Amino acid sequence: AQSVTQLDSQVPVFEEAPVELRCNYSSSVSVYLFWYVQYPNQGLQLLLKYLSGSTLVKGINGFEAEFNKSQTSFHLRKPSVHISDTAEYFCVATLSGNTPLVFGKGTRLSVIA
Amino acid sequence: NAGVTQTPKFRVLKTGQSMTLLCAQDMNHEYMYWYRQDPGMGLRLIHYSVGEGTTAKGEVPDGYNVSRLKKQNFLLGLESAAPSQTSVYFCASSYSYAQYTFGSGTRLTVV
Repeated sequence: AQSVTQLDSQVPVFEEAPVELRCNYSSSVSVYLFWYVQYPNQGLQLLLKYLSGSTLVKGINGFEAEFNKSQTSFHLRKPSVHISDTAEYFCVATLSGNTPLVFGKGTRLSVIA
Repeated sequence: NAGVTQTPKFRVLKTGQSMTLLCAQDMNHEYMYWYRQDPGMGLRLIHYSVGEGTTAKGEVPDGYNVSRLKKQNFLLGLESAAPSQTSVYFCASSYSYAQYTFGSGTRLTVV
């Protein structure tokens, strides 16, 4: 069965510092990968997704992620975070465009002024 | 606005009561999903449907039933609510090429 592991449950970082949220997936076949963000008491918002092609994916709000097939990783990065980036981030995988999404347990990013 | 609508948004139930959560989408999507979100657990799949009249079990189906009598609606039922079912429930739908749309969630508390 497919699984997604987010390696850090909480990541504190100072404002304007860079951040990396780590994600590994397990699958013997090709997968589609996503990062979603959930702001406090809100729903889910898609940050970016990797379907195929370039391994560097750019998303909204200055985030990007790199797909690494050999390491089965899909880490999320931002060069300079803002207080408004404080949220929970989910790494998500699926086998095709119409199969259920499998979520990681989430990483809570706290940006400190 | 096109999208996924969940009703109700909030509900408090007593242990043993029953209720139905409604998920409605107006995008003609074939696939629909119910997830629950609990702190530190991410979102876990309860049930899903690949088309009208079909349902399938997900990772955590116990205590829930679903029905997809109409393509646009996916109902999640709790026959006898338990405190362990206190959670935030999200519905989603998809059509093709990894286009998933989520509802805004239902916060359920079972006391």
